[in-house]
Order: sequence, then C-alpha cells, then structure tokens
Amino acid sequence: EAGVAQSPRYKIIEKRQSVAFWCNPISGHATLYWYQQILGQGPKLLIQFQNNGVVDDSQLPKDRFSAERLKGVDSTLKIQPAKLEDSAVYLCASSLSYQGNQPQHFGDGTRLSIL
Amino acid sequence: QKEVEQNSGPLSVPEGAIASLNCTYSDRVSQSFFWYRQYSGKSPELIMSIYSNGDKEDGRFTAQLNKASQYVSLLIRDSQPSDSATYLCAVKNYGQNFVFGPGTRLSVLP
Repeated sequence: EAGVAQSPRYKIIEKRQSVAFWCNPISGHATLYWYQQILGQGPKLLIQFQNNGVVDDSQLPKDRFSAERLKGVDSTLKIQPAKLEDSAVYLCASSLSYQGNQPQHFGDGTRLSIL
Repeated sequence: QKEVEQNSGPLSVPEGAIASLNCTYSDRVSQSFFWYRQYSGKSPELIMSIYSNGDKEDGRFTAQLNKASQYVSLLIRDSQPSDSATYLCAVKNYGQNFVFGPGTRLSVLP
C-alpha cells in the first residue's frame, strides 16, 4: 500500500514570496490533515478535511494560509505571503476517518526555509 | 485548551536498559492514545495505539494507560541505539482532532 505522498521535500523562498505544497493521502482515507512542525515542537494542526469538506481550520492563519481538497483526494496548502516564522516542516497525514480510533499516517513532509 | 505534556528530555539510557517515556493529558474524556517515533529529519511513524486502561505489548514496546490519572506511558525494553529518536504522544477523542505533545528525545548509549 502506498503511503502519504508529499511534494516538494524541500523549499527555500524569500519572505513575502508565495509557496504551495501538495499532498496525496493513502488510498481510501477520507480524512486529511495538514500540520506545521517547528523544530523541537510537536506537530500543530493547521487544517483538517473530511472528504472535500473542512472539519477544523481554527488554527490556520487565514490571512496568509489557504488549503483546498477540491475532489476529496489530494490537497494543496498555500502560504502567501510567507513570513520568517513560517520556517518549519509541513506535514500531511491521513486516516480512514476522523471518527473513532483510527490512527493517522504521515507523509515525509516539506521542509520550508524562509530567507 | 486541550494539552498534552511530555518531558522534553533528552532521556539517556544505556543499551539494553528499559526506557520509560511518560505523557499526561488534560482532556478527561480522551478516548484514543498513540505513540509516534520521529527520527531526526523524518516524519512521525506510528508505533503503538492504546484505547483501554492497562498494558498493551508489541514486541519490545509496552504502552500503559491510566485514564483515572490521565497518564499514558511507553516502555521500551532492551533499548537499542536505533531507538534513539523523539517520541511523540498523541491524544484523540471521537470526532475530534489529534493533540500532540512536544515529544521526548531519547538517546540510547552504546
């Protein structure tokens, strides 16, 4: 079974530029999560989708971050404009459903550096 | 604000010893508990899940849950240098999100 796919693996941009990350979850997984992980900290949820609907985006900085999962499969997370504090690893995860006890499985992440 | 707390470490143990990693959580109605291992520069990898009070064993790993004390732990027996990583505790309730702790960095010394 293929795992969660993410791209790119690394991205370096200057502040105020824009950047986009892509994620393809495990086949059949209805729930998709985007996390931000700053060095030395645990993952922080940015947004959660169930199929193509948003379940929770309460911690997403909506003035600069946006995400979509239009067809309920793959997803894109965008930052525009980027700030220095956005330097982090952006992790995508998926699970069968957010109801119940199903664990989530992570992709390899995108390491973002803002200059 | 739901919180999950872990000692950041580093926790250093000699090779072959038992490593004990602890996690406490604030949401009393949490139902599901997960331990993830994260090697430096890699993504979190699921090791164990536990849902009922008591112990759950999988190979060298044992997860222990005490819902009354809001406490979950992970024991690693016969620790190996390859176990050196950050261990993340995650807590979930039905229909709600995962909440992660900050992680405990484990170092197994040869």
